[in-house]
Amino acid sequence: DQQVKQNSPSLSVQEGRISILNCDYTNSMFDYFLWYKKYPAEGPTFLISISSIKDKNEDGRFTVFLNKSAKHLSLHIVPSQPGDSAVYFCAASEIGLTGGGNKLTFGTGTQLKVEL
Amino acid sequence: DTGVSQNPRHKITKRGQNVTFRCDPISEHNRLYWYRQTLGQGPEFLTYFQNEAQLEKSRLLSDRFSAERPKGSFSTLEIQRTEQGDSAMYLCASRALARRGQGNNEQFFGPGTRLTVL
Repeated sequence: DQQVKQNSPSLSVQEGRISILNCDYTNSMFDYFLWYKKYPAEGPTFLISISSIKDKNEDGRFTVFLNKSAKHLSLHIVPSQPGDSAVYFCAASEIGLTGGGNKLTFGTGTQLKVEL
Repeated sequence: DTGVSQNPRHKITKRGQNVTFRCDPISEHNRLYWYRQTLGQGPEFLTYFQNEAQLEKSRLLSDRFSAERPKGSFSTLEIQRTEQGDSAMYLCASRALARRGQGNNEQFFGPGTRLTVL
């Protein structure tokens, strides 16, 4: 039962262009979403997050969009750089009313390759 | 370096042996999580602690797995009688306890321990 899905296992983009990574989720209780970047032999590195009360969050070259009705989020990277080449994981959690937040549920990842 | 650290980084063991991994979280973080990642998959939740209390365990955590965080600081994950199916990357993450209404839920991950069971 894959509650967070990343249907594109790989994506190739030219340097300077926009990279768009997509993520879908099925659990309507998820209310906080995160993107992590992972290089081989390293742990995931936090990139950007968004609460379900927002539909967009921007941080430098990274923007995350959330469409709650479609249970879909996307990560935009612009302009893409060769150093962005990595595996990108979408993750979701339930925070609820307590503000605590617990475990993260991850997608299977998308391998992004930014070519010169 | 004030990030999450894990030791060892790599562990090769024979089937049936016991192994123990250690995680040192970011010092002011009171929540600590263990995840497991296999090839082609995202990290999967195993268990988490708030201070020294283990608050949730996944069904993935069989009886052969045990985790502790005795003083609310570092944590250990032990696997007894290892099986080849236990081969994976074991990741530890930590985060500060969010205040009510605060949305920050970012977990910070260590580099992981790669376990190979022969």
